Amino acid sequence: QKEVEQNSGPLSVPEGAIASLNCTYSDRGSQSFFWYRQYSGKSPELIMFIYSNGDKEDGRFTAQLNKASQYVSLLIRDSQPSDSATYLCAVSDTGGFKTIFGAGTRLFVKA
Amino acid sequence: DAGVTQSPTHLIKTRGQQVTLRCSPKSGHDTVSWYQQALGQGPQFIFQYYEEEERQRGNFPDRFSGHQFPNYSSELNVNALLLGDSALYLCASSSDGGGPNYGYTFGSGTRLTVV
Repeated sequence: QKEVEQNSGPLSVPEGAIASLNCTYSDRGSQSFFWYRQYSGKSPELIMFIYSNGDKEDGRFTAQLNKASQYVSLLIRDSQPSDSATYLCAVSDTGGFKTIFGAGTRLFVKA
Repeated sequence: DAGVTQSPTHLIKTRGQQVTLRCSPKSGHDTVSWYQQALGQGPQFIFQYYEEEERQRGNFPDRFSGHQFPNYSSELNVNALLLGDSALYLCASSSDGGGPNYGYTFGSGTRLTVV
């Protein structure tokens, strides 16, 4: 079982729709959870982090965490073509120092 | 405020050679982590340096080694290069030290090609 699993996609949504990206993780002791965006040919860029169960909103982005289900999600409201990128879910291990990345979900937002 | 600086941006090496990649962390950051990203894959953790010591290591052979300097900059060394070492090498800095991780700032990466 992979430590951090994501659907590789591609996920295609029309402009203005809500994009929903999902991630599961295997280490029950994980403390911190992150979403990064990576445009083609570029390095990852931090979008959000979340530590506690529930929702955390930042502009058009909402991160959701359910530790009991070992599940993290990212919602992007009012999706724009500029949101087209690979979204990487990342989870810190029990020790808190090592951050493990999923393989990423490719998102396409159609104009 | 300078971000994370990596050098060189691109590198072509021959199998069996050795390579050194360099990273200067973002101002105010004291922790440097190195990742390898193959095409179409997520970044894979190589190791992390804090207070000039390797704090944690991923599942990479001893051919991969590193160093952190007193100014927090870091080097990644890879010996006896294999074709499979061809990848984007990412340096990530953070200011977590001994505390919670608030996420990384990544450099633009070094694209290593082994021929």
